[in-house]
Amino acid sequence: EAGVVQSPRYKIIEKKQPVAFWCNPISGHNTLYWYLQNLGQGPELLIRYENEEAVDDSQLPKDRFSAERLKGVDSTLKIQPAELGDSAVYLCASSPPGPSGANVLTFGAGSRLTVL
Amino acid sequence: DAKTTQPPSMDCAEGRAANLPCNHSTISGNEYVYWYRQIHSQGPQYIIHGLKNNETNEMASLIITEDRKSSTLILPHATLRDTAVYYCIVRGNTPLVFGKGTRLSVIA
Repeated sequence: EAGVVQSPRYKIIEKKQPVAFWCNPISGHNTLYWYLQNLGQGPELLIRYENEEAVDDSQLPKDRFSAERLKGVDSTLKIQPAELGDSAVYLCASSPPGPSGANVLTFGAGSRLTVL
Repeated sequence: DAKTTQPPSMDCAEGRAANLPCNHSTISGNEYVYWYRQIHSQGPQYIIHGLKNNETNEMASLIITEDRKSSTLILPHATLRDTAVYYCIVRGNTPLVFGKGTRLSVIA
């Protein structure tokens, strides 16, 4: 079974440029998460989708970050414009339907962003 | 979600058991204990989880105290590839909330 697929794995851009990250979750997983991980820290949740609906986006900086999951499968996270402080790893995870406390999240390898 | 407390770092000799402790004294009855690990430059990897009973799988064993206020992850025969940051997370009906974890170094 294919895992959670993310692209690109690495991205280097100049500040004020836009950037987008793509995530393909495990087939059948209706819940999708985007996490941000700064160097030396644990991952922090940005947004959670149940199918195509964003059910928790309270930690997403909406002035420059946006996300979509139009058909309830793939998802895209966008930053426009990027700032130096956005340099981090962006992780996507997915989990299957069912009682969420017992659901295992599977993570992708992450997309490492460097803003110069 | 209940908060967890883990030592920032631990060392373990290769081939020996690695015992990683976690305190979660404010855990509530419907919250699970999860363990993930993150090897350098990879995404977090699920290891094991449990509610009340001890659990074992091909990767590790999870020992939860009877009062559920603490737990221990046991890697029975640590290898160099087990060097990683290990996260203990207590989770109810919410997404995973990560702390800083324990950095385990397995030494040859």
